[in-house]
Parts: sequence; structure tokens; C-alpha cells
Amino acid sequence: NAGVTQTPKFQVLKTGQSMTLQCAQDMNHNSMYWYRQDPGMGLRLIYYSASEGTTDKGEVPNGYNVSRLNKREFSLRLESAAPSQTSVYFCASSWGYEQYFGPGTRLTVT
Amino acid sequence: KNEVEQSPQNLTAQEGEFITINCSYSVGISALHWLQQHPGGGIVSLFMLSSGKKKHGRLIATINIQEKHSSLHITASHPRDSAVYICAVLNRDDKIIFGKGTRLHILP
Repeated sequence: NAGVTQTPKFQVLKTGQSMTLQCAQDMNHNSMYWYRQDPGMGLRLIYYSASEGTTDKGEVPNGYNVSRLNKREFSLRLESAAPSQTSVYFCASSWGYEQYFGPGTRLTVT
Repeated sequence: KNEVEQSPQNLTAQEGEFITINCSYSVGISALHWLQQHPGGGIVSLFMLSSGKKKHGRLIATINIQEKHSSLHITASHPRDSAVYICAVLNRDDKIIFGKGTRLHILP
């Protein structure tokens, strides 16, 4: 099992550009999450999906959209990137209470 | 005030020392999670607790529900234990709240 995979690992964008971060899990988990991690702050929830076909906003959803394409895949889209979105992005999936994290995507917006 | 507070924020110790990292929370919880984030960035689950104590190798996690406090202990610490340790709680609404992490550095 690959667990939770994310692509890309690194990305540099110019302000105003768009991109989609991909996440997939092969553990048959219902719930999936997108977090961002910034220096000096804990992980913050952007969006989550409790099951295929449903998505809900987390703590910091502004500037992002998500798609739960199927049970395996949960993508995060930045329509018009801003420097404030420079961060490390983690995707996670969960079975019960325990969360399993992807390796992260380091995004820089210049 | 953050709902999940960790202490210390940073900790440097010599190899072999006994390490304690603390987590206090102010909300009712269903479970508490200890995570390890390696220098390369990956996040790994260490323990999920709702009561008592769990042990895995040199790592021990305890929780006191009445005092709203959990500790993570590392015995016979080793440089490979150097990482950020994150406490996270699942509140009664199934919302997960993360602490800011404790950066541990073990010197050889």
C-alpha cells in the first residue's frame, strides 16, 4: 500500500496563477482532509470530505476549492494564487479517529 | 488562548536522556493524537489515546482526562528521535485541533 500520496512535492507559482494539488489514498478511507502548515502555527484545516461526493469548509477555506473525485482522490485547487498561500500543504485520510498524512507539497507563491 | 497548548516549544537534550513533552487542552475531547514530523516534513502517527497509557518501543504516551493533560515520553533518547512532535485533539464535534508542536533536538 502506498498510503496517502500527493503531487507535486514542490511548486513555485507567480501571483495570479492557478494550480491543482492532487491527493490519493489506497486505504479505502471515507474521510479526507487538506491542511496547510505555516511557521509558528499548527496545522490548519482548509477543507475536508467526510465521504465521496461531500465536502465541507474548514478553518481557512478562502482562496481554495476542492473536489472529491471518487473515494480515492481529493484535490485542492488554487484559482488565483496569492503570496499568503505560500505554505506546506498536507493531505490526510482517516479511518475512525486516526489520521494518515501524505508527504506534503511545498508551495511558494512569488 | 489556544485550545491545545504544548510545552516546551523547543527542547535540546543529550543522547540517552529521558524526554517529556506536554500537551494541555481546554475542550472536551473524544481522543488525543500524538504525531511525529520528521525533518524532511513527513507526518507519522505515533499514538491515539482516549484514556490511560500506551507504549510503543521507547515511546510512552499518557493521558489524564480529568486534568485535560497528556504527556509523551521518550526513554533512552537518540539523535534519530529529533523531530517535531505534535499533539492533536478530536473535540466532541469531531473537529481536530492541532497544537503548534514541540521541536526536539537530540545531540549525540
